[in-house]
Amino acid sequence: GDSVTQMEGPVTLSEEAFLTINCTYTATGYPSLFWYVQYPGEGLQLLLKATKADDKGSNKGFEATYRKETTSFHLEKGSVQVSDSAVYFCALVYNNNDMRFGAGTRLTVKP
Amino acid sequence: GAVVSQHPSRVICKSGTSVKIECRSLDFQATTMFWYRQFPKKSLMLMATSNEGSKATYEQGVEKDKFLINHASLTLSTLTVTSAHPEDSSFYICSATPSFTNTEAFFGQGTRLTVV
Repeated sequence: GDSVTQMEGPVTLSEEAFLTINCTYTATGYPSLFWYVQYPGEGLQLLLKATKADDKGSNKGFEATYRKETTSFHLEKGSVQVSDSAVYFCALVYNNNDMRFGAGTRLTVKP
Repeated sequence: GAVVSQHPSRVICKSGTSVKIECRSLDFQATTMFWYRQFPKKSLMLMATSNEGSKATYEQGVEKDKFLINHASLTLSTLTVTSAHPEDSSFYICSATPSFTNTEAFFGQGTRLTVV
């Protein structure tokens, strides 16, 4: 079935460092792909999404490109801030099937 | 890792009836749990934040009288869809974070509700 495999954490970076969180998926067709972020004590928030191959989602300096050839949707940010410390979830939806989440990656950014 | 059990995984009910969905943290206590709803082909929507021993906090636009949330213990939160209608058909998912920690959230398996 459809699934998402996400880079395990935790990830600890210094402020202004480059961030990559890997996400690969398995799906029978062409799912929509999402990155969600959860800040401490809060619910999930949609960070960005892409609905077809080669689409690039971007928001708040984060980017992810839908790569069909590698079935990947890696999250990147060029310069992280302390305020980016959170847990990040990769997810997919295919047709009307239920959303599948990755396990989540905790990011801690130190000043 | 920590496990969150959501039950039932699928339910079909008739219009006008009520359905209860349970979210249990099996091996940890969770002061706070979250309930989400996924619309077809769209991303997840946070419905409410469930706090143990107090009233849930609902997101704007979510009818609190329709979606009743009870967080009676540190390991159980329930979502009751009252007087269900076909437009309530959706995928509902809960998540929980261990109390007094700053660890990641753990998700239930989700519940597919179909109202006929």
